Amino acid sequence: LAKTTQPISMDSYEGQEVNITCSHNNIATNDYITWYQQFPSQGPRFIIQGYKTKVTNEVASLFIPADRKSSTLSLPRVSLSDTAVYYCLVDNTGGFKTIFGAGTRLFVKA
Amino acid sequence: DAGVTQSPTHLIKTRGQQVTLRCSPKSGHDTVSWYQQALGQGPQFIFQYYEEEERQRGNFPDRFSGHQFPNYSSELNVNALLLGDSALYLCASSLTPRGGDTEAFFGQGTRLTVV
Repeated sequence: LAKTTQPISMDSYEGQEVNITCSHNNIATNDYITWYQQFPSQGPRFIIQGYKTKVTNEVASLFIPADRKSSTLSLPRVSLSDTAVYYCLVDNTGGFKTIFGAGTRLFVKA
Repeated sequence: DAGVTQSPTHLIKTRGQQVTLRCSPKSGHDTVSWYQQALGQGPQFIFQYYEEEERQRGNFPDRFSGHQFPNYSSELNVNALLLGDSALYLCASSLTPRGGDTEAFFGQGTRLTVV
């Protein structure tokens, strides 16, 4: 399973765009990249998933360069409620033997 | 449509005791996985159940065992509890694992405190 590296923490202000980059140099051909959000004392919540190029949904965008050795989660116009831990996962087993790292703790300030 | 539900939400046990945690998967899902999350850390995979059998297992001792019932619900059992077993235990469900694009839905977790 590919190991991921993310910043430990990030700070932002309400209304700003936040980009969190994840490195996964050893990603395999059949690995997918998935991002989860977790609030304290709650289970992780799926945000977005992609394999290559760009994926966008109602809450975020995921940018994956051609070499797939990194990915960037983009959160447009964050609010205080986006304060959470964000996990980047790389996996090809349906997400069930997935290595969650320590994640990135995002603090959104007023 | 109820999502993944776990019970109980909180639990306090004494060292050496045994505990059983329960999980009902999201409607239509047939695969359940369990995770342990210590304070300040990411979730650690314990094991996965599909078709009532343990299919994959993480690096956890045999004190951790599980079961899946015909209705796809699952139990996590931990014997001989240690103080270090104190954590948030998470259950995730999905459809039959197909590959890396399968989405997992997590429950709210059970907070276990061992004293």
